[in-house]
Amino acid sequence: AQSVTQLDSHVSVSEGTPVLLRCNYSSSYSPSLFWYVQHPNKGLQLLLKYTSAATLVKGINGFEAEFKKSETSFHLTKPSAHMSDAAEYFCVVSAPGGTSYGKLTFGQGTILTVHP
Amino acid sequence: DADVTQTPRNRITKTGKRIMLECSQTKGHDRMYWYRQDPGLGLRLIYYSFDVKDINKGEISDGYSVSRQAQAKFSLSLESAIPNQTALYFCATSDLQGSPTGELFFGEGSRLTVL
Repeated sequence: AQSVTQLDSHVSVSEGTPVLLRCNYSSSYSPSLFWYVQHPNKGLQLLLKYTSAATLVKGINGFEAEFKKSETSFHLTKPSAHMSDAAEYFCVVSAPGGTSYGKLTFGQGTILTVHP
Repeated sequence: DADVTQTPRNRITKTGKRIMLECSQTKGHDRMYWYRQDPGLGLRLIYYSFDVKDINKGEISDGYSVSRQAQAKFSLSLESAIPNQTALYFCATSDLQGSPTGELFFGEGSRLTVL
C-alpha cells in the first residue's frame, strides 16, 4: 500500500521569499515520487520526479525537492517565489512493484498564494 | 494542438441523465487513466487501462464505466448522473516503455456539474 500526505493545505508567501511545500509518503516499496503543479483552469504539469537516482532533484522554474528516506519526506522548495508560482501543487507517489505498480497516489494538494 | 484532448471541457446536466466524457491522445501511449478532482481531496483514480483489452477499476469506480475504443481513445460514462458526481475530471496517459515509474501527461480537464 502507498499513501502521501501534504502537510499544508494552503501556503502564503511574499514575492521574493522562499517557498516550502511539505510532503510525507508511505510505501511498501522504494517509491518514485513526483511533484505536479496545476495552474487555474489547467491540467497538471510535472514539476520534477525522483526515481532512485540523486536524492536532490531539480525541476522546472527553479523548484527542487529532496528525497529523505529516513524521514519519508519529499519536500518541495524554491529560493525565491514569483507571482507566476501561484498555483496548486500535488505530491504524488508511485510504487514500482506490488498491486499498485504503475498507479499513482495523489496528495490532497497545497494551494500556494504569492503576495506582491 | 494538445497531446491529450478532453471533450467537453464544461458540461451542465441534470440528475439521471447519461453523460460521456471523451479523451483522445496523440502521444502514442499505452496507458490511459480517468481521475476525478474534488477540492481538498486531490485526484482520485476512477478507471485505468494499460492497453485496449485491459481495463481496471480504480479506487472510486462505482457509478462510472469506461470504454477503450482504440489505443488513442478512452471514454468515461456516467450512466445516470447524480449531484455528487459534480467534479473536475481529468484524463491522463503514460508510456509503459518510456516511463515505467508512472509519469503522467494530463488533459486540461472536463468540468461536470450535475443539478
